[in-house]
Amino acid sequence: NAGVTQTPKFRVLKTGQSMTLLCAQDMNHEYMYWYRQDPGMGLRLIHYSVGEGTTAKGEVPDGYNVSRLKKQNFLLGLESAAPSQTSVYFCASSYMGWEGNQPQHFGDGTRLSIL
Amino acid sequence: AQSVAQPEDQVNVAEGNPLTVKCTYSVSGNPYLFWYVQYPNRGLQFLLKYITGDNLVKGSYGFEAEFNKSQTSFHLKKPSALVSDSALYFCAVRDQTGANNLFFGTGTRLTVIP
Repeated sequence: NAGVTQTPKFRVLKTGQSMTLLCAQDMNHEYMYWYRQDPGMGLRLIHYSVGEGTTAKGEVPDGYNVSRLKKQNFLLGLESAAPSQTSVYFCASSYMGWEGNQPQHFGDGTRLSIL
Repeated sequence: AQSVAQPEDQVNVAEGNPLTVKCTYSVSGNPYLFWYVQYPNRGLQFLLKYITGDNLVKGSYGFEAEFNKSQTSFHLKKPSALVSDSALYFCAVRDQTGANNLFFGTGTRLTVIP
């Protein structure tokens, strides 16, 4: 049972380059999320999705785009990478549950450095 | 707006001693509160949650948390710390305007000293 799988695990980009981070879950969860983790700031929500074909902005969406074409996959894109986007990115998923009482399940992260 | 605060960046405790990791929250209405743990180079793992009911919540790995409405706190506790409990701990509160979204605290690094 893989749970939430993120690829790649590490990546170094140059300023202005683009890339896509991939997230896949095999738990049939309706909800999926992308967070970034920065030292001393905890996790901050970038974008989320409540179902296939839907996406919504989180706390820090600028500079990122997402897509959820299939229920099991949630893609995070950086169109023009900036040094401020150097971070560890986490994908998570959860059941819809009763009024949001379901815990989120996390992948192991993608460590992204922008030079 | 909802938020959680973890006032301690670092907590050190001797192995076998009780441990407490503090969390306070700010929400309008009833809070949904969570604790997660993060080991090095891994994602967050769910420990426990408070939704409603008993103020003492039991979770994974022998952890528990006490919900205190008057003090707006949700402190994580364990009666006897293990070296393997050393990790980064995050408190979180559910976003009451979004679909199961969470607001996380800044994290507390727990070090259990052998």
